[in-house]
Amino acid sequence: EIVLTQSPGTLSLSPGERATLSCRASQSVSGRYLAWYQHKPGQAPRLLIYGASSRATGIPDRFSGSGSGTDFTLTISRLEPEDFAVYYCQQYGSSPFSFGQGTKLEI
Amino acid sequence: EVQLVESGGGLVQPGRSLRLSCAASGFTFDDYSLHWVRQAPGKGLEWVSGISWNSGTTGYADSVKGRFTISRDNAKNSLYLQMNSLRPEDTALYYCAKDLGSTWVFESWGQGTLVTVSS
Repeated sequence: EIVLTQSPGTLSLSPGERATLSCRASQSVSGRYLAWYQHKPGQAPRLLIYGASSRATGIPDRFSGSGSGTDFTLTISRLEPEDFAVYYCQQYGSSPFSFGQGTKLEI
Repeated sequence: EVQLVESGGGLVQPGRSLRLSCAASGFTFDDYSLHWVRQAPGKGLEWVSGISWNSGTTGYADSVKGRFTISRDNAKNSLYLQMNSLRPEDTALYYCAKDLGSTWVFESWGQGTLVTVSS
């Protein structure tokens, strides 16, 4: 089973700043099969990025993903107030399709 | 607009069974794989199970293998999760999720149904 470790656990930033979230896999993720999700309290999770760098439908271009192998990054170029949430990475290269433990992005 | 509405959650004693349902609309149901993902109180997301468009492929997390069974009825646009031998650690909010296609990426999610396993 691939274990995903996200860092930092909590990231404190202000609107307008740049956020960089990391996701490290215990073994290589085949085919760059890595996705990122945003989750706010009381809401359904939202797909942001798949294939490591492809934005999902309707996702603003301030969200970008990069990486391959075992190291992946989600970057939010200029934080908006609505971006403060918990972010999860997920690998879908091999079953079981594991999530990271999450990074909480707070003001 | 894609809509996924889960139902069937509730309070159940350890060792008992429960069946979750997910009613889908707003897309061509039998074109997509579907999944169940859960979130225990205060914890992160955990993929539970997934099923391909024609039920030909299913997958389970190790934590539920042998106890949970996923199924779908394409004529009724519905997804199900039969949960047997429930344990306290199965307590969670269970989300139904639509795949991006058949990729095991969770494109759209329902609001979830809460399962509490306790005596």
